[in-house]
Amino acid sequence: QVQLQESGPGLVKPSETLSLTCTVSGGSLSSGAYYWSWIRQHPGKGLEWIGYLYYSGTTYYNPSLESRLTISVDTSKNQLSLILRSVTAADTAVYYCGNGEEGFDYWGQGTLVTVSS
Amino acid sequence: QAGLTQPPSVSMGLGQAATLTCAGDSNNVGHEGAAWLQQHQGHPPKLLSHRTNSRPSGISERFSASRSGNTASLTITGLQPEDEAVYYCSAWDRRLHDRLFGGGTKLTVL
Repeated sequence: QVQLQESGPGLVKPSETLSLTCTVSGGSLSSGAYYWSWIRQHPGKGLEWIGYLYYSGTTYYNPSLESRLTISVDTSKNQLSLILRSVTAADTAVYYCGNGEEGFDYWGQGTLVTVSS
Repeated sequence: QAGLTQPPSVSMGLGQAATLTCAGDSNNVGHEGAAWLQQHQGHPPKLLSHRTNSRPSGISERFSASRSGNTASLTITGLQPEDEAVYYCSAWDRRLHDRLFGGGTKLTVL
């Protein structure tokens, strides 16, 4: 069974770059016809899709975040990464990575990122 | 703004059935259906149903999804206390090239 673990800084300053990593165990980022996803949840709010990386390497991004966003993979480390540039307080959220047919079958526990000076 | 519409809250009695709805349009729910997820407070979401209305392994048969036109539904039978949670629907929008989520429905089991 795939297990996912998000990691990264819990605090980022406004205008700086947020970098998160999702370490995958029990599965490979380059196999299986699955989507690897990033999803976030603002405090007390609902879910927001950030983007996908398909196992083939194709990426799909939320149009509202696309200009600031990069999702990539390091197959040697079996890690998925998220880079979000020029963050503001509106990017404060719990960030989850996921995997599955639609990117949702397996989830990490999530990591809280606060944007504050 | 395009999106998926869910009622904010639903309350039903223990042992009863609850049906949660998710309204979209022909570019999202009406095109490919909707997935359903359950989230308990302080935990990550859990997939209950794929957009094809199939349940992932380990999900109880008490959860069943369906679709009629542009509206998806999740029916939970034999409500248990542990079913109290927030339920989200999600669908890919082919026009927006965006993955949409509904605002979530908080289910209360009385």
